[in-house]
Amino acid sequence: EIVMTQSPATLSVSPGERATLSCRASQSVSSNLAWYQQKPGQAPRLLIYGASTRATGIPARFSGSGSGTEFTLTISSLQSEDFAVYYCQQYNNWLRGFTFGPGTKVDIK
Amino acid sequence: QVTLKESGPVLVKPTETLTLTCTVSGFSLSNARMGVSWIRQPPGKALEWLAHIFSNDEKSYSTSLKSRLTISKDTSKSQVVLTMTNMDPVDTATYYCARIEYSSSLKVDYWGQGTLVTVSS
Repeated sequence: EIVMTQSPATLSVSPGERATLSCRASQSVSSNLAWYQQKPGQAPRLLIYGASTRATGIPARFSGSGSGTEFTLTISSLQSEDFAVYYCQQYNNWLRGFTFGPGTKVDIK
Repeated sequence: QVTLKESGPVLVKPTETLTLTCTVSGFSLSNARMGVSWIRQPPGKALEWLAHIFSNDEKSYSTSLKSRLTISKDTSKSQVVLTMTNMDPVDTATYYCARIEYSSSLKVDYWGQGTLVTVSS
C-alpha cells in the first residue's frame, strides 16, 4: 500500500503571505495526486487534481506541482478563507483505491 | 447541479451492522466514467477511503476493511449503499460519499455533507 506523508503538520502564516505545503508518497504515483481543503464541519473540497490542474472554480492563488513521489501545494497570498486543513490523496492505481495523507493545518500566525 | 446525500443511523451498537445510503442527483450512476466512493473521518483525524463502485459495477475495497464491507448500487433509485459489519467504537466517524469522474484524469469532485455515525452501547 502506498503511504502518504505531509509536512509540516501545522503551518502558521500571516494573511497575504505565501504558504508552501508538501506531500510525499512512499513510491511513485506519477501525477495521480489531488489536494483537498477542509474547513471545520465541512466536507473536503477538491482543489487540485492530476498534481497541477485546478478544479473548477478554484482561485489561481492555489497551484500544485510535482510528480513521482514529491508534491507541493502553494497558496500564493493567503486569504482569511484559506485557513483550513489540506489533504493530499494519491490515486495511482485507482481501481484499487485511494490513500490520503494525514493533513496539514494552516492557521493564522 | 450535482449533489450527494448520505443517510443512515446516527447511533449503532457494537457488533451491529451499519447500512448507509448515498442518494445522488445531477448525474446517473450508469454514466460511463463515473463512480461513487465512500470515505470516512474519525473525529479530529484524517480521511480514510473505504470503497468505491463504478458505472460498470466494478468494485474495490480498502484492504484493511475488506472483510467487513459491501458496496452496491441501485441505478434506478440513484443510490449507492455501503454496509459495514461488526461495528466497533473505533468505527465512530463521519462517513462521506463522493463522486468519481475519470477520463483523461480522475477527479473526486463532489462530496456529500457527511453523516456522523457513533458506535456505542
